[in-house]
Parts: sequence; C-alpha cells; structure tokens
Amino acid sequence: AQTVTQSQPEMSVQEAETVTLSCTYDTSESDYYLFWYKQPPSRQMILVIRQEAYKQQNATENRFSVNFQKAAKSFSLKISDSQLGDAAMYFCAPRDFGNEKLTFGTGTRLTIIP
Amino acid sequence: DTGVSQNPRHKITKRGQNVTFRCDPISEHNRLYWYRQTLGQGPEFLTYFQNEAQLEKSRLLSDRFSAERPKGSFSTLEIQRTEQGDSAMYLCASSYRAYSYNEQFFGPGTRLTVL
Repeated sequence: AQTVTQSQPEMSVQEAETVTLSCTYDTSESDYYLFWYKQPPSRQMILVIRQEAYKQQNATENRFSVNFQKAAKSFSLKISDSQLGDAAMYFCAPRDFGNEKLTFGTGTRLTIIP
Repeated sequence: DTGVSQNPRHKITKRGQNVTFRCDPISEHNRLYWYRQTLGQGPEFLTYFQNEAQLEKSRLLSDRFSAERPKGSFSTLEIQRTEQGDSAMYLCASSYRAYSYNEQFFGPGTRLTVL
C-alpha cells in the first residue's frame, strides 16, 4: 500500500511566474510510476505529466517539469510561465508497477493571480 | 473523438434508496476504473475491470456497492440502501494497455447527494 502527502493545501502564483508543488510518497516497491493530474473547477481530471521510477531523467512536458528524487521519495511539479488556465486542483498519484490502482494525495489548489 | 462519459452528472436521493450510475469508456479501452472523491480529498480507488472481469475491489466497496461491466463495454455502479456517507463524486476512468504506464482517462463524474 502507498501513502501520498501533499503538504500544500493551497498555493498561489502571479501569472507568468514559476511555482512548485510538492509531493512525497511512501512505497515498498522499487518499480512504480508517478503521475500529476490536474482537476480544473467543475471539469474532469486530466494527466499533466508522468515519471517512470526507473528513469533518472526528470520528465518535462512543455511548461511542466518534475523533480523526482527516488531516495527521498519526493516528486514535485514545477509550472513555468504560469497561465490563468493552470488554475486547478493538482493531485500527485503514484502507481506500483503491475498494480492498476492510482493512489491520490489530498491535492493542492493552485490559484493564478492576474 | 469522445472521451469517457458518465450519467447522470448529478443525482439527489433520499437515504435508503438505491441508485445506479453509468460509465461509457473510450471505445477501444479495455480497462475501466471506479473511484470515489469526497469533498476536499483526492479520489479513492473502488474497483477495476479488464474487459468484463472485475479484477480488484477495494475494501471501501461495501456489500451495498456492486459494479458490473457486461460485455466489456459500459459499466454500472449501483449503491443499495444509500447512506449520507455515500455522498461524494463518483469518477470513472478507462485505459488501454498499449504502454506500460497505462494512462487513465477520467470522466466528468457523477455527484451523488444523499439527503
């Protein structure tokens, strides 16, 4: 079983600035995947970025990047050049290799200040 | 291209009534998942199907809950004798195991309110 901690219930950032959302997790597995999902208000959850635990290189998707530290079991999300459309709840979700279940954290509500 | 759809989007019921939700996955997806999300929390896994077989159930899925996926297409989630604690957003997701990371695509959810 995994536990996920997102210690920042709310974050805010000025438009065009950079913000980092933190996530730590606990797992006994060595092979797993890590995901960040975004849930805009009243809209469905969408995948932002994923990381395979066996890869040392941090994943990047356009303005979104992660800082994955396997030994520390830390998986933070950096959003560069923040845009108004980035306002949402962000959930960190690990998934053990061979297991279909996503385990979500409690989320971080991100507000973008114009 | 249609994503995952869920019906109804909102359901209000009285305690003790039975409710049924439907999920239509993305057409070629063979895996289907149900999650429950209460206010201020992240989604919690309930169950998942591969084709028509229900392969895993969470202990959160009490005897009052049943899920089916006949013919491996749409799925239904039924809650019998609803309780106020069942009030939540019920999310459905689907995936196709083309890649090892197996991205799950989520529907808009069904919000259940039990009075």
